[in-house]
Amino acid sequence: DSGVTQTPKHLITATGQRVTLRCSPRSGDLSVYWYQQSLDQGLQFLIQYYNGEERAKGNILERFSAQQFPDLHSELNLSSLELGDSALYFCASSVEGGSRDEQFFGPGTRLTVL
Amino acid sequence: AQKVTQAQTEISVVEKEDVTLDCVYETRDTTYYLFWYKQPPSGELVFLIRRNSFDEQNEISGRYSWNFQKSTSSFNFTITASQVVDSAVYFCALSELTSGSRLTFGEGTQLTVNP
Repeated sequence: DSGVTQTPKHLITATGQRVTLRCSPRSGDLSVYWYQQSLDQGLQFLIQYYNGEERAKGNILERFSAQQFPDLHSELNLSSLELGDSALYFCASSVEGGSRDEQFFGPGTRLTVL
Repeated sequence: AQKVTQAQTEISVVEKEDVTLDCVYETRDTTYYLFWYKQPPSGELVFLIRRNSFDEQNEISGRYSWNFQKSTSSFNFTITASQVVDSAVYFCALSELTSGSRLTFGEGTQLTVNP
């Protein structure tokens, strides 16, 4: 158990809908990352937050947004869902958010868009 | 731009065999970090090791060992005396000092250890 929690574990929804994925980092970690794992794209970095502020952005679609709250939990919002958004979404956390940090991953949320 | 290549898509071995997973990376940074993660069938990503670009010393942890060679831009992972529980997808990843802490992952190698 990495100490990172993600809810829900599974999510099934329809195209055009909006969903919210939630992540709680390990105790003491200030930085949160979101990654998407799909069969065609592999594991891709989406976005990083550090202590409530956006720090880095990767291949995140405009339909997706995220935030980190004062209690350091984070939410990833996916809207206008398409079939291609079906994937495993991971949240990770690290202490400082630097490039040398070990990132500890949550169990993931499997999103299925029908 | 940073890139990680794991050319072995799938490897199948018999228990107790040694197996090496290859990882080749590309980066323009002089300061970077390399990682290995394990993804068992249950799906979570488990951190295994981190190396920085200035430390080429090989590392051994139990049955696991890592060989980092800057000259060939490789960071290979060897499992000695493999066990069925080692069956998983293994990912090599890279982060660069100038690109922040985003991890760039390779495509992964599916390792199957048969009894």
